[in-house]
Amino acid sequence: AQSVTQLDSQVPVFEEAPVELRCNYSSSVSVYLFWYVQYPNQGLQLLLKYLSGSTLVESINGFEAEFNKSQTSFHLRKPSVHISDTAEYFCAVSDRQGAQKLVFGQGTRLTINP
Amino acid sequence: GAGVSQTPSNKVTEKGKYVELRCDPISGHTALYWYRQSLGQGPEFLIYFQGTGAADDSGLPNDRFFAVRPEGSVSTLKIQRTERGDSAVYLCASSSQAGATYEQYFGPGTRLTVT
Repeated sequence: AQSVTQLDSQVPVFEEAPVELRCNYSSSVSVYLFWYVQYPNQGLQLLLKYLSGSTLVESINGFEAEFNKSQTSFHLRKPSVHISDTAEYFCAVSDRQGAQKLVFGQGTRLTINP
Repeated sequence: GAGVSQTPSNKVTEKGKYVELRCDPISGHTALYWYRQSLGQGPEFLIYFQGTGAADDSGLPNDRFFAVRPEGSVSTLKIQRTERGDSAVYLCASSSQAGATYEQYFGPGTRLTVT
């Protein structure tokens, strides 16, 4: 079984400041890793994912996440945030071997202040 | 093209009643997933269909919950004898094929309130 812990339920930052949203996972098997975003009044959308290869993955809107196997982490970062990044962010894992389900963390609400 | 749609968007029901929640996946998507998101929590897996069959129903909390996908497209999540603890947002997702490497596309959810 897998579990995901997002260490911060809320993260307030100023516009143009850097941000890091933390995610740690626990699993007895190899996993795939995902970050999903939920903008206000919208459904969940995939932001980025790590399947294999380079441990640093990027999204089209400037976010990046790095898979750290030794620390079982997949933290999400952005060097300079916009007001439009205000959303709830969910980290998730999926078992590589068979089960197709996603196991989500509790979510981190990112609030950008002008 | 059209995304995943869910109806109704909101459902208020009394404790003990029966409810059905509908999911229309993206056309051609063979895999369909149901999740439940309680207030302040991340989504929790309920059940996954590959085609018409339930490939993994390990997340269904008890036998009051049941889901079908008779023609391999639309799915219905059915909850009998609803309880206040069933109040949550029920999310549906679909993917073009089964497998964690295929992106799951989520619908907007059905907010269920049991009074």
